[in-house]
Formats: sequence, C-alpha cells, structure tokens
Amino acid sequence: GAVVSQHPSWVICKSGTSVKIECRSLDFQATTMFWYRQFPKQSLMLMATSNEGSKATYEQGVEKDKFLINHASLTLSTLTVTSAHPEDSSFYICSARVRSTNYGYTFGSGTRLTVV
Amino acid sequence: AQTVTQSQPEMSVQEAETVTLSCTYDTSESDYYLFWYKQPPSRQMILVIRQEAYKQQNATENRFSVNFQKAAKSFSLKISDSQLGDAAMYFCAFVLTGTASKLTFGTGTRLQVTL
Repeated sequence: GAVVSQHPSWVICKSGTSVKIECRSLDFQATTMFWYRQFPKQSLMLMATSNEGSKATYEQGVEKDKFLINHASLTLSTLTVTSAHPEDSSFYICSARVRSTNYGYTFGSGTRLTVV
Repeated sequence: AQTVTQSQPEMSVQEAETVTLSCTYDTSESDYYLFWYKQPPSRQMILVIRQEAYKQQNATENRFSVNFQKAAKSFSLKISDSQLGDAAMYFCAFVLTGTASKLTFGTGTRLQVTL
C-alpha cells in the first residue's frame, strides 16, 4: 500500500518550454506532498512542501515562479518547470507522508528532466 | 536547524560480510524519527529501517540493524551478510515530530558490494 505514482519517468524538452510532472497517490490521501531535486551523486534537496488546497511553501533559494506547484486534490500534486533552461536539468522526486502510519513516507519513482 | 552528517562518501564490503554506515545528526529537540533509505541505481527511494527517538531499543529489520545513541546523536546502520543487491546509495534522514514533517537528508554513502 501507500504508493505514489510519478510521471513521466523521463522527459526531454527544449529550452524555453514548460514541463509538468505529476504525482498521484494511488491508495491513500496525500494531504502533504514534498518535492525534491537531486543532482547526480548528491542528496535530495527539498524544493517545496505542498498542502492540498493551499499554496506551496518553498525552501529558501527556490524560485516560486519557475517551479510552480499545484496540489488541487488529495490525490494529485504537480510540479511545472516553467521556461526551462539547461541548468534545470535534474532528477525530481515527489514524496508524501502517509498519515495512517507514524511518520511513514512514500516516494515517487522520480523524473529525469533534460533540457536541451 | 537540524543537520544530518554522513562522513563516509563511499564504503565497500565483500559479499556475506558485515558493514556499518555512520550517521550523526544535530538537534536540540527530543522527539524525532530517524530513517535509513536505500537508493539503488533505479533511483527509487526505499525505506530500510526507522527508529523513534523515544525508543531505547535499537530497530532491526532482518539483516539490517541500527545502533542508536541518542546522547551522542549517532545513528549507524549495520548490514549483515551483505548481498550484491545491497549495493546502492544509503541516506540517513531525520524528521521532527509535530512539525511540517520535512525530512532532512544526509549527503549519502555509496555502498559497493564485491564478490
């Protein structure tokens, strides 16, 4: 149980275009979703926390206008990378806290974004 | 702010042997959870083991066990009878209870398993 489905698993886009990444909780309600960015051989860096029905909370240094997060329902959160540039190329991972467990977290399988 | 430190960027262990990965953390709070996550080449994050700070007993999960030293703020992971499938990045993580529930990750340790 407690699965988060993340799509797409990889995407290549042209510089200047926007890309949307979706994370769906399949068998539970994800009231809170966390979005991470991971550079090669590095740790996960938290970008933002989204709560269903409210604005996301961004970590310091993360551009709100570039990384748009929407959490309109209890089962879907999206991250849109707007006007993507090559430096936005990275691995993006979503994660949800599973409230039926004591501080259990489940992670999406990640999205590899390449901007050319 | 809480910090998590993993001082071993890479470790190597022979198959069937035991290896210990180190993790230290810094917090002034007393209620928190600690985790070890495994990230294989697929990059899917997999929970290995978790420990509640209020529990003195060290958590164990089959071949995986922790040595939780609360006073020393240390949380090491021991992998016994290492298998080729254990090769991965291992991240130590921390979360305060009763907060925004944000996980703080360490920098990771890459574990190689050799024949």
